Amino acid sequence: GAVVSQHPSRVICKSGTSVKIECRSLDFQATTMFWYRQFPKQSLMLMATSNEGSKATYEQGVEKDKFLINHASLTLSTLTVTSAHPEDSSFYICSAILAGGTWQAFFGQGTRLTVV
Amino acid sequence: AQSVTQLGSHVSVSEGALVLLRCNYSSSVPPYLFWYVQYPNQGLQLLLKYTSAATLVKGINGFEAEFKKSETSFHLTKPSAHMSDAAEYFCAVSDNTGNQFYFGTGTSLTVIP
Repeated sequence: GAVVSQHPSRVICKSGTSVKIECRSLDFQATTMFWYRQFPKQSLMLMATSNEGSKATYEQGVEKDKFLINHASLTLSTLTVTSAHPEDSSFYICSAILAGGTWQAFFGQGTRLTVV
Repeated sequence: AQSVTQLGSHVSVSEGALVLLRCNYSSSVPPYLFWYVQYPNQGLQLLLKYTSAATLVKGINGFEAEFKKSETSFHLTKPSAHMSDAAEYFCAVSDNTGNQFYFGTGTSLTVIP
């Protein structure tokens, strides 16, 4: 099946620094990728929809200046958490849709971000 | 607008017993429904999906789910639990574009030996 690779799997950063998370579709082209955030014991929350070559669409309540999303190619989307704070500590997951109407999203392995 | 409600954040069953994880949805359009499983420190894996075909959907690892429009439900079942089934399970709904997914809060399944 299609594979989505997310890197890094774990990252610890200092408060005030920025962290970039990469999401790659390894064997297919993904015109659309999604970024989710998972809070402990809560639902996966859709943060934004990333379309190749255009600006990301953010869900209500998500700060677009804090969570910068770039989808520069058909196989790569990046999420940059800028000026990270401890409350940004979370599990971030990306997904990509396989074109052709299979209605299946392929998910990355997730990134555990810890801001200290 | 779409949303999903998963009743029971924690479910414990004995090995060999029936697994039943509940999911109710709300959707203003005919929904597409999914169950995903997340093992510790891993990403999500698709268990099964309903996309307007047969209402009883069979997935991997012996799981199945039945779409019941009258009850707006899509409960996940497995006849006999295995220790390896211990994980977090998420129900999700999307519209007919299949592009955006809205997830339930997840149900943590514990299997007791």
